[in-house]
Amino acid sequence: GEDVEQSLFLSVREGDSSVINCTYTDSSSTYLYWYKQEPGAGLQLLTYIFSNMDMKQDQRLTVLLNKKDKHLSLRIADTQTGDSAIYFCAEKWDSGAGSYQLTFGKGTKLSVIP
Amino acid sequence: DVKVTQSSRYLVKRTGEKVFLECVQDMDHENMFWYRQDPGLGLRLIYFSYDVKMKEKGDIPEGYSVSREKKERFSLILESASTNQTSMYLCASSLAGEHLDTQYFGPGTRLTVL
Repeated sequence: GEDVEQSLFLSVREGDSSVINCTYTDSSSTYLYWYKQEPGAGLQLLTYIFSNMDMKQDQRLTVLLNKKDKHLSLRIADTQTGDSAIYFCAEKWDSGAGSYQLTFGKGTKLSVIP
Repeated sequence: DVKVTQSSRYLVKRTGEKVFLECVQDMDHENMFWYRQDPGLGLRLIYFSYDVKMKEKGDIPEGYSVSREKKERFSLILESASTNQTSMYLCASSLAGEHLDTQYFGPGTRLTVL
């Protein structure tokens, strides 16, 4: 598999912006994803970006992609207590014979301080 | 809405027992996956399947086997459970041929092996 790295913890105050960073290794990745895991639940797709894009905005979420540095970030504006969760970065890569897999980072636990 | 269900949320077993974890999806997805999630290690792929009766090893298949007799059901089997298999197990499914390859996750099974 490929390697996806992200920091394990982030704390922000309610109302501030959160920025979660991720680096990946497969330069041929077509899609990169952010998944969110709330306590006691499975993962849910939060947003994604196609590799030919630099930025994608979706309400409070902004995804930035720097293909040259293989760096992906997720910015959450006006962070709320409900945003407290673990955020996983993932890349889609070709595992051969037309098959694709996702490789996930270790997850960043976002804690929002009221 | 895609629904992925897992047979148990919490399971406690003894060392040496045979353990079955069941996963069912209701969206006719071809692809199904089993991951384990451990603190500081993120998600690691155990096995996946692209079709009925098909299975492929992931990154950490040792000590596990799988069964996919029907399209909607993917079972993970621990032939002889050991304490190092205490973990959260997550099942996921995705639609084949979909470019985005969104994986939909179940709520997870927290397995404790005593």
